[in-house]
Amino acid sequence: DTGVSQDPRHKITKRGQNVTFRCDPISEHNRLYWYRQTLGQGPEFLTYFQNEAQLEKSRLLSDRFSAERPKGSFSTLEIQRTEQGDSAMYLCASSLSNSGSLRASTDTQYFGPGTRLTVL
Amino acid sequence: AQSVTQPDIHITVSEGASLELRCNYSYGATPYLFWYVQSPGQGLQLLLKYFSGDTLVQGIKGFEAEFKRSQSSFNLRKPSVHWSDAAEYFCAVGAGGATNKLIFGTGTLLAVQP
Repeated sequence: DTGVSQDPRHKITKRGQNVTFRCDPISEHNRLYWYRQTLGQGPEFLTYFQNEAQLEKSRLLSDRFSAERPKGSFSTLEIQRTEQGDSAMYLCASSLSNSGSLRASTDTQYFGPGTRLTVL
Repeated sequence: AQSVTQPDIHITVSEGASLELRCNYSYGATPYLFWYVQSPGQGLQLLLKYFSGDTLVQGIKGFEAEFKRSQSSFNLRKPSVHWSDAAEYFCAVGAGGATNKLIFGTGTLLAVQP
């Protein structure tokens, strides 16, 4: 168990550019979450995958954001036409659902180190 | 809607002193509660969690938390703080439902004086 990994750890980009982040969850974890954390705030939920299906998206996730988990393993988060307001830490978490279904479960989310995005 | 309040933005304690970080939640049913710790520039590490049963929960690094339904609180405690405990601490509640996304408080930044 190597934990959740994220790449890159830091990204500096100019406004208007596209960026893509990758998250590798703990192996065999079927749930994957993306959160965004701005300075001085707690993480805020962005989106969630159960295996390869994206089942929920926050209103924070504008049309410029897209996330995928094509084979139910790693996930990517792409931001198109970045804006200065996108500057934040993007955190990925994974968990193993213990409910065996889409019902509420008591699974625990394990977080990666995050990708810090700075938009100039 | 579910929410979490951490009233203390910043706390300073002396090394060896006891610690209590406050967390209040708003949730209609029995909550799933978590405490995470974040060191500078790092992700979140789980300290402990409460789902049901014994309301006093033991976690890693000598931390414990007590769930008090009557006060809607889940305060984090440690009897003797070490300099390495300096970090930011986040309380979170599971939103329930199929997603069980986490709703976080704004965090409490802990400084430890020698």
